[in-house]
Amino acid sequence: NAGVTQTPKFQVLKTGQSMTLQCAQDMNHEYMSWYRQDPGMGLRLIHYSVGAGITDQGEVPNGYNVSRSTTEDFPLRLLSAAPSQTSVYFCASSYIAGGYNEQFFGPGTRLTVL
Amino acid sequence: DQQVKQNSPSLSVQEGRISILNCDYTNSMFDYFLWYKKYPAEGPTFLISISSIKDKNEDGRFTVFLNKSAKHLSLHIVPSQPGDSAVYFCAGVNTDKLIFGTGTRLQVFP
Repeated sequence: NAGVTQTPKFQVLKTGQSMTLQCAQDMNHEYMSWYRQDPGMGLRLIHYSVGAGITDQGEVPNGYNVSRSTTEDFPLRLLSAAPSQTSVYFCASSYIAGGYNEQFFGPGTRLTVL
Repeated sequence: DQQVKQNSPSLSVQEGRISILNCDYTNSMFDYFLWYKKYPAEGPTFLISISSIKDKNEDGRFTVFLNKSAKHLSLHIVPSQPGDSAVYFCAGVNTDKLIFGTGTRLQVFP
C-alpha cells in the first residue's frame, strides 16, 4: 500500500495562476479531506468528502474547489492563486467519516504564490 | 474563531521526565478528541484519542486526560524520549469535521 500520496511536493505559482493539487489513496477510504498548515495557525480544514460524489466546506474553503469522482482521488483546485494561499497543504483519508478514527495524512505539498 | 487552542507554542523537557501538553476548546459539540504528532517535512500521524464520555485513555507511555467541565484536555508522555521531539496537535471532532489546534513543539533533550 502506498497510503496517501500527494503531488507535487513543491510548487511555485504567480498570482492569478491556477493549478490542481493531486491526492490519491489506495486504502479504499470513504472519507478524504484537505488541510492547510500555516505558522501559528495549526492545521485548518479546507474541504472534505464523505464519499464519491459528495463534498462539503471546511473552515477555510474560499479560493479552493474540490470534486470527488472516484473513491481514490480528491484533487484540490486553486482557480486564481493569491499570496495568502502560500502554505503547506495536506491531504488525509480515513475509513469512516470525520475524525472518529485515525486519519492518514499524505506528506504534503509546499506551495508558494508570488 | 479558534475552536481549539494550544496556548503553549513550545515545551522543553529533559529525557526521562514527564511531558504535559495542554489543549483548550470552546465548541461544546465536540464529542471526540485526538492527538496527532508531526515531524518536519512529514504529514501528521495519529497518536491517541478519547471519547467525550471518558475522562482518561492510556496507550503505553501516552495518556490523554479530558475535563469536560473545563473544556480542557492534556497529553502526558512518561517517560519522555528524544524521539518524542515533534509538533503535537490536539483536535476535536464535530460531526464530519476534525478541527485542529495550533500545535505545541516539544523538544526532549538528553
